[in-house]
Amino acid sequence: SQQGEEDPQALSIQEGENATMNCSYKTSINNLQWYRQNSGRGLVHLILIRSNEREKHSGRLRVTLDTSKKSSSLLITASRAADTASYFCATGPPSGYSTLTFGKGTMLLVSP
Amino acid sequence: GAGVSQSPRYKVAKRGQDVALRCDPISGHVSLFWYQQALGQGPEFLTYFQNEAQLDKSGLPSDRFFAERPEGSVSTLKIQRTQQEDSAVYLCASSTDRNEKLFFGSGTQLSVL
Repeated sequence: SQQGEEDPQALSIQEGENATMNCSYKTSINNLQWYRQNSGRGLVHLILIRSNEREKHSGRLRVTLDTSKKSSSLLITASRAADTASYFCATGPPSGYSTLTFGKGTMLLVSP
Repeated sequence: GAGVSQSPRYKVAKRGQDVALRCDPISGHVSLFWYQQALGQGPEFLTYFQNEAQLDKSGLPSDRFFAERPEGSVSTLKIQRTQQEDSAVYLCASSTDRNEKLFFGSGTQLSVL
């Protein structure tokens, strides 16, 4: 089963525009992570935000976390054609032997 | 090597055949995970190892799926008597801790005919 749910399922923008993807989840978390997957490849880690953090930046990426609403957003600024990929959020539960649970992803298409 | 290595990259099997998928994690990574990814979906957890111990196999879909990591390094995912519904990309990932950043391999795309 998948805990996280990304929104929108697909997003198409022009180069230079900003892209915003959202993730909602159901249970308590230790951290939330965002990954990118190019077609036919493995996932690449982008950023990790812990449950006691509200916002984090990495280059052109900005992630926010609202634990009261059980939601997160990923903002990619000044998008490039090379940002075209699927983006997944993954939640890490606070305890036990469980591991990261991924959502179904947002497919981002950035046109030149 | 510098990253997680998986082999083979592609595997075509006839229904009923057994297959073995290999994962070579990043050296020194204690945690190793197997995920299954269907087309257009996110990765679904299969199993987790901490060193050689298989601590969680709750995601394995049936007793036809078996994973091992005998020396705490290389891992093998074996699927016996493959079925068409087993067709998917099988991803291996490793990390320093189970809920921290995961490093993924490129996956093995399994097609069962």
